[in-house]
Amino acid sequence: AQTVTQSQPEMSVQEAETVTLSCTYDTSESDYYLFWYKQPPSRQMILVIRQEAYKQQNATENRFSVNFQKAAKSFSLKISDSQLGDAAMYFCAYRGYKYIFGTGTRLKVLA
Amino acid sequence: DSGVTQTPKHLITATGQRVTLRCSPRSGDLSVYWYQQSLDQGLQFLIQYYNGEERAKGNILERFSAQQFPDLHSELNLSSLELGDSALYFCASSVDIGAANTIYFGEGSWLTVV
Repeated sequence: AQTVTQSQPEMSVQEAETVTLSCTYDTSESDYYLFWYKQPPSRQMILVIRQEAYKQQNATENRFSVNFQKAAKSFSLKISDSQLGDAAMYFCAYRGYKYIFGTGTRLKVLA
Repeated sequence: DSGVTQTPKHLITATGQRVTLRCSPRSGDLSVYWYQQSLDQGLQFLIQYYNGEERAKGNILERFSAQQFPDLHSELNLSSLELGDSALYFCASSVDIGAANTIYFGEGSWLTVV
């Protein structure tokens, strides 16, 4: 069965600094996609970034980028120039036959 | 606005009761997913439908059931409610079942069982 693990329940970052959120997954599927979602206090689920497993190039969306290590089954999210509005729960998700989420990392941004 | 509509947004009910949560997917989306998020927890996959047929099942209790109708809206029925069923229930949709398709979430239905 596929699993997604986020080992950091909580992280803090100073405003304007860079932070990396970790995610590992386990799967035997060959065709899958990986995602990071942001959940602010409103509890809405907002797609941040997605990565196709067949692509070696790491995905980037403005200040958000991923470090995708397929062999290690690792998919971390880097947030550059952190802003107060980045404070939220971040969920890593795996999409193969099923869509599975990790337990989340709460990110605090310190002014 | 993701285009996925969920009703009601908030619901308070008593233990032992039954409720129905409704979801309208984005226009053109054939697949609907239901997730449960308890307080400070991750998202638990409940069930997925594609074009009216059940496609995948997760940790859905026997007291819970769902269906997708011909007009593609979906309903999640929760019966014999317990205090532990209090949670945020998300519906999400995608164009089809392929892994390449991003799923888009509604704003959720808050269920409080008292």
